[in-house]
Amino acid sequence: SQQGEEDPQALSIQEGENATMNCSYKTSINNLQWYRQNSGRGLVHLILIRSNEREKHSGRLRVTLDTSKKSSSLLITASRAADTASYFCALSPPHKGGSYIPTFGRGTSLIVHP
Amino acid sequence: EAQVTQNPRYLITVTGKKLTVTCSQNMNHEYMSWYRQDPGLGLRQIYYSMNVEVTDKGDVPEGYKVSRKEKRNFPLILESPSPNQTSLYFCATSPGPLYEQYFGPGTRLTVT
Repeated sequence: SQQGEEDPQALSIQEGENATMNCSYKTSINNLQWYRQNSGRGLVHLILIRSNEREKHSGRLRVTLDTSKKSSSLLITASRAADTASYFCALSPPHKGGSYIPTFGRGTSLIVHP
Repeated sequence: EAQVTQNPRYLITVTGKKLTVTCSQNMNHEYMSWYRQDPGLGLRQIYYSMNVEVTDKGDVPEGYKVSRKEKRNFPLILESPSPNQTSLYFCATSPGPLYEQYFGPGTRLTVT
């Protein structure tokens, strides 16, 4: 099954800076989702963007999707120490044995220094 | 409050001793799934269920069983655990296809 590839694997920034992480994939998708995971805890859904959408916003989060390049980016503006976490993209393929449950990449580890 | 609960949260067991990790949701979701998370490998889907009595294999189903006898519960069964099943396990639920997933808090399993 297809897995998204997040880039970079790790990102270290200062509080107040913007953080950008990317997700690339190989085949067509129905939608792409971004999740956050604080150390060892359950994943929390951030944003879902459908294949016919190009950009979505939620508070300090901005997600873009370029289906021609098969890539998505997650931008966190004015980062805070509390944003320190791992971020995962999840792909919902058009078909996966009849299921649309997404598959997850390996994540980007973000550290925001106070 | 919308919740996905898993039990136990931590478990240390020995090779071959059957165990069950429970997952329960109060959101009336049809879709439920199990993932395992290992360092450097991300989350990998073990099994999923689209409704009561409807289950199917994910990417790494070997060594696991599931059942979905009622909508709210989706237990994960390890009939004969082995050390390579030491991992962090997550249950997740979803309102339906193409929707976001809601994750449980995780179960950290160690098999010695």
